[in-house]
Amino acid sequence: NAGVTQTPKFQVLKTGQSMTLQCAQDMNHNSMYWYRQDPGMGLRLIYYSASEGTTDKGEVPNGYNVSRLNKREFSLRLESAAPSQTSVYFCASRLGTAYTYEQYFGPGTRLTVT
Amino acid sequence: GQSLEQPSEVTAVEGAIVQINCTYQTSGFYGLSWYQQHDGGAPTFLSYNALDGLEETGRFSSFLSRSDSYGYLLLQELQMKDSASYFCAVRGNQGGKLIFGQGTELSVKP
Repeated sequence: NAGVTQTPKFQVLKTGQSMTLQCAQDMNHNSMYWYRQDPGMGLRLIYYSASEGTTDKGEVPNGYNVSRLNKREFSLRLESAAPSQTSVYFCASRLGTAYTYEQYFGPGTRLTVT
Repeated sequence: GQSLEQPSEVTAVEGAIVQINCTYQTSGFYGLSWYQQHDGGAPTFLSYNALDGLEETGRFSSFLSRSDSYGYLLLQELQMKDSASYFCAVRGNQGGKLIFGQGTELSVKP
């Protein structure tokens, strides 16, 4: 049981390049989330998917798109990377029933945009 | 809008007790969570309070007062391994999404 996995672990992009961050969970969770964390800051929600087939914007969605490919996978795409998107990106999942609260986080992707 | 406030840093000695406070303003409130994050690591869940009162899990306890929009995390018998950042997070009413505070960095000294 790997939990939540993210690829890649590290990435360097040039301004204007695009890339997709991959996230998968093997816990049969319904809800999945993408966060970014800047140095010394808390996590800010980019997008989330409450259940398979749905996605919604979080606090900071501009410059990003997401795809809930199936129940296991939730990807985050940067179409045209900007230096302001340099951050650590965390994917998380939650069982998603009414009384389940815990979010399980992946190890993160450290992205630098030059 | 939604906002959470918690102290940026706290220092304590091994074996002591420390309390990390969190005040929040939110348009919809379903509960207050606490997460721990070690340097370079992923956040891990510590506790959740939906109702007023104290929840205890081993050395860690969490308290919530919804009327005061206030909660705290209490860490007892501090150990060096407790040195980490601690985040409070409010659960919104849509999809279980969380809004995080900026975190409190706890340093435990020998």
